[in-house]
Amino acid sequence: QKEVEQNSGPLSVPEGAIASLNCTYSDRGSQSFFWYRQYSGKSPELIMFIYSNGDKEDGRFTAQLNKASQYVSLLIRDSQPSDSATYLCAVTSMDSNYQLIWGAGTKLIIKP
Amino acid sequence: KAGVTQTPRYLIKTRGQQVTLSCSPISGHRSVSWYQQTPGQGLQFLFEYFSETQRNKGNFPGRFSGRQFSNSRSEMNVSTLELGDSALYLCASSSGGVAGGTTDTQYFGPGTRLTVL
Repeated sequence: QKEVEQNSGPLSVPEGAIASLNCTYSDRGSQSFFWYRQYSGKSPELIMFIYSNGDKEDGRFTAQLNKASQYVSLLIRDSQPSDSATYLCAVTSMDSNYQLIWGAGTKLIIKP
Repeated sequence: KAGVTQTPRYLIKTRGQQVTLSCSPISGHRSVSWYQQTPGQGLQFLFEYFSETQRNKGNFPGRFSGRQFSNSRSEMNVSTLELGDSALYLCASSSGGVAGGTTDTQYFGPGTRLTVL
């Protein structure tokens, strides 16, 4: 069974600090990796995707992928109270018939 | 480009009734996935349709069914509603096809909040 694991949190980070969110996955054949943000009562919104080993930066967000160790992380620099949300990691591959396999999410709280 | 739309946004039903939810994907997207989310829970995958065919299915009872039309719009039906079916139902669309970051990126609609009394 293909699985995606995330620490449920809550992860509490002071405003202005770097928030680090981690995700591990079981399927070695995974090809695409996604981070979504979900505010309470709202639908998930895409932050970024990554599919090559290494780092990918978009504004204050950096996704890091290490396929050998089967983990993907999301760093949020200069954390703001508006970043407080649940962050969902999702993974897909041809073996999963392109179905996204979702982690349960990590709740992030940014303290002013 | 217009985003994913879902109707209705809110719905109240009683046990035993049935309900149909609708999802219109982003123009040009051929894949529609449906998810159930209950308070404090992660996304539970229901099924995915690609070019009018069910491509993937989650572990939900047969009371949950769906279909996709030639214009890629999708409907989800729940028959014989139970109290536990109260949830936020989310629809997501993607281009579908080859895994590799862009074509399988899912974009979510605002969801339909279903309450079963």
